[in-house]
Amino acid sequence: GDSVTQMEGPVTLSEEAFLTINCTYTATGYPSLFWYVQYPGEGLQLLLKATKADDKGSNKGFEATYRKETTSFHLEKGSVQVSDSAVYFCALKDSGAGSYQLTFGKGTKLSVIP
Amino acid sequence: DTGVSQNPRHKITKRGQNVTFRCDPISEHNRLYWYRQTLGQGPEFLTYFQNEAQLEKSRLLSDRFSAERPKGSFSTLEIQRTEQGDSAMYLCASSVGTGTPQETQYFGPGTRLLVL
Repeated sequence: GDSVTQMEGPVTLSEEAFLTINCTYTATGYPSLFWYVQYPGEGLQLLLKATKADDKGSNKGFEATYRKETTSFHLEKGSVQVSDSAVYFCALKDSGAGSYQLTFGKGTKLSVIP
Repeated sequence: DTGVSQNPRHKITKRGQNVTFRCDPISEHNRLYWYRQTLGQGPEFLTYFQNEAQLEKSRLLSDRFSAERPKGSFSTLEIQRTEQGDSAMYLCASSVGTGTPQETQYFGPGTRLLVL
């Protein structure tokens, strides 16, 4: 079955540091890939997505590139801010008829300190 | 605001009681999903509706759980005879059923359930 593996957290960074959160996946078809962010006490917000190999999703300074050869979708940001403190989830939606559900990783908690 | 809304936001109940949660999707979205998120884990799929039809159910959805979407608008998720293991955040999401890889699910704020 489908699965998503994220790097273990928590991750603590100083403001303006470079961020990488690793994400790898296993899928039976050709999935679309997503990063969602969950701020404390809130639901999930879509951060970015990519739907085919070599696509780069980007939003709010975050980027991730769909790498089919390494089955990866690592999240990066060049300079984090305190307001980026949240839990980040990598997810996939597999292709093919009847594939509606998202499969999520366990999440990576990011804390950014001033 | 036209996002996904869920009520109540928090629910505390005693073991053995029944609870019902409501989800109002984004108005033009014909697909609706329920997920469960336990502490320290990612959301897990429970069930999916296209309009009023429930098309997919996870094996996580025991017979104590029932979901409906009358008239293809809002949805309710009921848990009967709650158990402490049901304590979790219940998330609702909706999407426009384009059937393309670009189709994106938008999530509500969730209902946090605590079973004592």
